[in-house]
Amino acid sequence: EAGVAQSPRYKIIEKRQSVAFWCNPISGHATLYWYQQILGQGPKLLIQFQNNGVVDDSQLPKDRFSAERLKGVDSTLKIQPAKLEDSAVYLCASSLQGWSGNEQFFGPGTRLTVL
Amino acid sequence: ELKVEQNPLFLSMQEGKNYTIYCNYSTTSDRLYWYRQDPGKSLESLFVLLSNGAVKQEGRLMASLDTKARLSTLHITAAVHDLSATYFCAVDIDLDTDKLIFGTGTRLQVFP
Repeated sequence: EAGVAQSPRYKIIEKRQSVAFWCNPISGHATLYWYQQILGQGPKLLIQFQNNGVVDDSQLPKDRFSAERLKGVDSTLKIQPAKLEDSAVYLCASSLQGWSGNEQFFGPGTRLTVL
Repeated sequence: ELKVEQNPLFLSMQEGKNYTIYCNYSTTSDRLYWYRQDPGKSLESLFVLLSNGAVKQEGRLMASLDTKARLSTLHITAAVHDLSATYFCAVDIDLDTDKLIFGTGTRLQVFP
C-alpha cells in the first residue's frame, strides 16, 4: 500500500514570496491533515479536511495560509506572503475517518526555508 | 491552556539499560498515540492507546495509558542503538475529529 505522498521535499524562498505544497493521501482515506513542525517541537495541526470539507482550521493563520481539497483526494497548502517564522517542516497526514481513534499516517514532509 | 508535556526532553542511555519516558497531559482524553521520528524523517506510528489501562508492546518498547492520572508511559527495555530517535506522544482532544495535540518530544540517544 502506497503511503502519503508530498512534494516538493525541500523549498527555499525569500520572505514575501509565495509557496505551495502538495499532498496525496493514502487511497481511501477520507481525512487529511496538514501540520507545521518547527525545529525542535512537536507537529501542530494547521487544518483538517473530511473529504473536501474543512473540519478544523482554528490554528491556520488565515491572513497568509490557505488550503484546499477540491475533489476530496489531493490537497494543496499555500503560503502567501511567507514570513521568516514560517520556516518549518510541513507534514501531511491521512486517516480512514477523522473519528473513532483512527491512526494517522504521515507523509515525508516538505522542509521550507524562508530567507 | 492545553498542555502535553514529556519528560525527559533528552535522554542519553547506555545499551542494555531500561528507562521510561513520561507523557503528562492537562485535559481529559481516552486516546493517546506514540510516534517515532528519525532525524530528517517523518513520523512513524508506534502505538495507539484507546482506553484507560491500555497496554501495548512491540519489541523492546511498551506503552501504557492511565487516563485518570492523565499519564502515558513509554518503557524501553534493554535499549539498543537502533532505538535512537525522537519520541512524541500525541493526545486526542476531540473524539469527533481525532484532533491531536503533540507533546514536546523526547530525544533518545543510545550509546554502546
